[in-house]
Amino acid sequence: GNSVTQMEGPVTLSEEAFLTINCTYTATGYPSLFWYVQYPGEGLQLLLKATKADDKGSNKGFEATYRKETTSFHLEKGSVQVSDSAVYFCALTITQGGSEKLVFGKGTKLTVNP
Amino acid sequence: NAGVTQTPKFQVLKTGQSMTLQCAQDMNHNSMYWYRQDPGMGLRLIYYSASEGTTDKGEVPNGYNVSRLNKREFSLRLESAAPSQTSVYFCASSAREGLSDTQYFGPGTRLTVL
Repeated sequence: GNSVTQMEGPVTLSEEAFLTINCTYTATGYPSLFWYVQYPGEGLQLLLKATKADDKGSNKGFEATYRKETTSFHLEKGSVQVSDSAVYFCALTITQGGSEKLVFGKGTKLTVNP
Repeated sequence: NAGVTQTPKFQVLKTGQSMTLQCAQDMNHNSMYWYRQDPGMGLRLIYYSASEGTTDKGEVPNGYNVSRLNKREFSLRLESAAPSQTSVYFCASSAREGLSDTQYFGPGTRLTVL
């Protein structure tokens, strides 16, 4: 079936540290891949996406590359800030019943300390 | 643009009570979704609506009903609430952006069933 596995948290880093959150997927066909971010008390916001192999999504200093050969979409940021503290969800889309639906990983909580 | 709005923000119910969660979007999107978020489980799809007048079950539909009242509004109803339905509920709508749909989320409703 279709599923997303992301590294379990919580992850705690100091400001300006390098961030990697691993995400791998299992899917039939060629899904699009997403990272969503959820700040405390809020809904999910799209952070970045990639729609085909070798595409790189980027936003707010975060990057992720769609790797078909390793079925991965790892999230990276070179220098995190306290304001990046949030829960990060990796997701893929599947098409069923004429609608695209998201399948989410379980989320990784990131805390960045000053 | 308000985006996706949800009411209420918080609700406490007793077992067996009923209630309806409201969701509206002002982005003219065709597809709308209801998810629940539980600790360590990520987001799971309850129901979705690919277009006005159609609804379909998602991963965890038992105990819920939905109504797509018009293009803007998609409500979720709990007929007889149970403690297992204590969760945070998110509504989303989606639009085609490039090669894939992008989902936009509301701020959520935190429901406690005693």
